[in-house]
Amino acid sequence: AQSVAQPEDQVNVAEGNPLTVKCTYSVSGNPYLFWYVQYPNRGLQFLLKYITGDNLVKGSYGFEAEFNKSQTSFHLKKPSALVSDSALYFCAVRDRNYGQNFVFGPGTRLSVLP
Amino acid sequence: EPEVTQTPSHQVTQMGQEVILRCVPISNHLYFYWYRQILGQKVEFLVSFYNNEISEKSEIFDDQFSVERPDGSNFTLKIRSTKLEDSAMYFCASTEGSTYNEQFFGPGTRLTVL
Repeated sequence: AQSVAQPEDQVNVAEGNPLTVKCTYSVSGNPYLFWYVQYPNRGLQFLLKYITGDNLVKGSYGFEAEFNKSQTSFHLKKPSALVSDSALYFCAVRDRNYGQNFVFGPGTRLSVLP
Repeated sequence: EPEVTQTPSHQVTQMGQEVILRCVPISNHLYFYWYRQILGQKVEFLVSFYNNEISEKSEIFDDQFSVERPDGSNFTLKIRSTKLEDSAMYFCASTEGSTYNEQFFGPGTRLTVL
């Protein structure tokens, strides 16, 4: 069975500081990993994905994430946070050997303080 | 940029009534999905649809639910005999097809069952 954990319900960071939103996953096979962001009253917007290759992937709005197979993690990072980054962030996994659907984590609310 | 659209944005219904939620996926996409998000909880997979039939469904997607692609553009989710616990945001998503492609989400329909 696939599962995703986001151990922090809430992350607070000051504007201009680096941010990290944590994600760990469990799949039986090899994973495809995704990050989505949800702004209030909006749908989920794709940020980035890991499929294969370089463990560090870069995505939209200056975000990046690092795939760590040994730690089964895919933490989202940004070197310098903006107030406009405040939103709900979801990590998602798909087992490349099983099915098409995503399994989402519970979400982490990021608040960037001015 | 092409996007997934959903109507209505908010649906209020009485318990026991039937509702139909509508989605227009991105035109060249082949796989379609419904997810739901109960307030304050994580995004949950309901069903995936490909080649005019259900390809996967979760345990949530019981006989109360059905999906249809009636005319080659719309993708609908029907909920028969709604229950209070069906109150949630329902998101439609679509993807080109390969398992490594990200899913594009619509803005959601907020269903309120009274």
